[in-house]
Amino acid sequence: DTGVSQDPRHKITKRGQNVTFRCDPISEHNRLYWYRQTLGQGPEFLTYFQNEAQLEKSRLLSDRFSAERPKGSFSTLEIQRTEQGDSAMYLCASSLPDEKLFFGSGTQLSVL
Amino acid sequence: DAKTTQPPSMDCAEGRAANLPCNHSTISGNEYVYWYRQIHSQGPQYIIHGLKNNETNEMASLIITEDRKSSTLILPHATLRDTAVYYCIVRLSYQTGANNLFFGTGTRLTVIP
Repeated sequence: DTGVSQDPRHKITKRGQNVTFRCDPISEHNRLYWYRQTLGQGPEFLTYFQNEAQLEKSRLLSDRFSAERPKGSFSTLEIQRTEQGDSAMYLCASSLPDEKLFFGSGTQLSVL
Repeated sequence: DAKTTQPPSMDCAEGRAANLPCNHSTISGNEYVYWYRQIHSQGPQYIIHGLKNNETNEMASLIITEDRKSSTLILPHATLRDTAVYYCIVRLSYQTGANNLFFGTGTRLTVIP
C-alpha cells in the first residue's frame, strides 16, 4: 500500500490559465473521489468514479472543471480559465466499494 | 445525509483522554457515524466508524448514545501528534452505493504539552 499520490503538491497560476492535476489511487481501489477544500472549511465533494465511469458530480463542479479516469487507474482534474475563487486545496481519495476512503495530501492551487 | 454539530475547538493536555462530542439528532436508522481527522497540510485520515454499538480500534473509541442522536470520539492518551481537525460525519449505510463523504467544519483539537 503506497497510498494515494497527488501531483503537483503546489500550483501557482495566473487567472485565465488552464491547470491539470493528477491523482494516482491505491492500486486495487476501483473508486476514486475528488474533493475541494478552502481555508477553514471541511473538504467539499466534487465528483467520483467507479473504475472509468464518472458516477456522480457535485453542483460545485462547474463546466470549467472536467475530471477523467480513462483506464480506471489514475485520474486527472482539469480547470479551464481559472478564477481566483478556484484557489483551494484539491484532494483526491480512493476506496474499495463500500469501504473507508484513503486521501492523498492534496494539490494546493493558488490563482493570482 | 444527516447533519452534524461539533464544537469548533477544544484543548486537551498531553497524556490525558480527549473526548470529542458530536450531535447528530436527525440521524436515521441506517446511517453510520464516521470520524476522520486532518492534520495540517495533509488529507483527511479515517479513524473509526459505527452504527449502534460502541467501537474501539488502535486509534480511538467511539461511544454512540442509545438513541443515536450523539456520539463521542475518545482518544485515550492524547499526544502532540493528535493535534488536528476532527470531523464527525453521518452517512447512509454501505448498501446505498456511493460512499462519498460530506464533511462539516469539524473540531480543531489542540493537544497542549
